[in-house]
Amino acid sequence: GESVGLHLPTLSVQEGDNSIINCAYSNSASDYFIWYKQESGKGPQFIIDIRSNMDKRQGQRVTVLLNKTVKHLSLQIAATQPGDSAVYFCAELISSGSARQLTFGSGTQLTVLP
Amino acid sequence: ETGVTQTPRHLVMGMTNKKSLKCEQHLGHNAMYWYKQSAKKPLELMFVYNFKEQTENNSVPSRFSPECPNSSHLFLHLHTLQPEDSALYLCASSQGGGGKNIQYFGAGTRLSVL
Repeated sequence: GESVGLHLPTLSVQEGDNSIINCAYSNSASDYFIWYKQESGKGPQFIIDIRSNMDKRQGQRVTVLLNKTVKHLSLQIAATQPGDSAVYFCAELISSGSARQLTFGSGTQLTVLP
Repeated sequence: ETGVTQTPRHLVMGMTNKKSLKCEQHLGHNAMYWYKQSAKKPLELMFVYNFKEQTENNSVPSRFSPECPNSSHLFLHLHTLQPEDSALYLCASSQGGGGKNIQYFGAGTRLSVL
């Protein structure tokens, strides 16, 4: 099965509310995580990353929380805007032999309601 | 504009055709990647090139043939594809092939195999 997965495939929020997108991972050796946003017709766009020696990191309107105890990652978007409507992916960096590969989850579709 | 350009944006081909996808990055990165994105599935890593050398081939069928003539250009040559190969093919680049690995994606080529 997938080592990275999302709890909900879709999420709808009212404009102005906060959004929380969750992600579970299974590889306790993963030491780096990234959130990507993919809008319709575009490629994934980097949002924010976090190393495993941190439990929180903030960006502009976004916060990533990492709970290594339960292998859970979340992306919080403050004051969600229509432009935030997209599919959000988490990815973990896994060592595979001598290489390190990003493994992506299936994605959560975020819809912002007016 | 992410600095990663893919052409063509859309491609329709028959199973007996031969075509090529092109990717160019303007970010000065050393590593380039091909991913396959099918509907409602995680991104699947196909190939990795680091300093023009192929470092990963994730059990991709031989009907997909990558080429990396230099660190800025990446091609994916296609021949005798199957309808199940229809997908969005994404190219990405990063500063290095390991460690912290923020990958920057192009907009993708939407491939339809008839």
